[in-house]
Amino acid sequence: GNSVTQMEGPVTLSEEAFLTINCTYTATGYPSLFWYVQYPGEGLQLLLKATKADDKGSNKGFEATYRKETTSFHLEKGSVQVSDSAVYFCALRSSGTSYGKLTFGQGTILTVHP
Amino acid sequence: DGGITQSPKYLFRKEGQNVTLSCEQNLNHDAMYWYRQDPGQGLRLIYYSQIVNDFQKGDIAEGYSVSREKKESFPLTVTSAQKNPTAFYLCASSSIAGGTEAFFGQGTRLTVV
Repeated sequence: GNSVTQMEGPVTLSEEAFLTINCTYTATGYPSLFWYVQYPGEGLQLLLKATKADDKGSNKGFEATYRKETTSFHLEKGSVQVSDSAVYFCALRSSGTSYGKLTFGQGTILTVHP
Repeated sequence: DGGITQSPKYLFRKEGQNVTLSCEQNLNHDAMYWYRQDPGQGLRLIYYSQIVNDFQKGDIAEGYSVSREKKESFPLTVTSAQKNPTAFYLCASSSIAGGTEAFFGQGTRLTVV
């Protein structure tokens, strides 16, 4: 079956530091890949997505590239802000059956200090 | 504005009671999903539905039930058979077209008292 593995957290950074959150996946076919962000007590919001190999998703300074050869979709940001503190989830949506349901990683808690 | 609405935001249940969580969307999405979130465990799929009057069990369906009588509504009932129901519940919807993302509600926090 499909699975998503994220780097262990929590991650604590100082403001303006570089961020990387690793994400690797296992899936059949050609899945679409997503990063979602969750702020305390809220639902998930889509941060960025990529639907085919070598696509780069980007939004609000965050980027991730769909690497089929390494089955990875690592999230990066060059300079984090305090307001980026949240939980980040990597997810995939299969291209086959099972209603295209999303499979999530376990989430990575990011805390940014001033 | 289009979106997905969950209610209530907070819910308290006594031992042995059934409770129903509401989820409504006006995005005209065919697919709807229920996830459970526990600290440190990410999101786990409870049930999902692609069309009216049809739904499938996810990874942790035991102790839960759903219905899909209307396209825009997908209520979740947490039954007394669910041994550990205290959690954060998230509803989502999506198009069934490939490559599209899911949209999430704000969640319902259920606590057993």
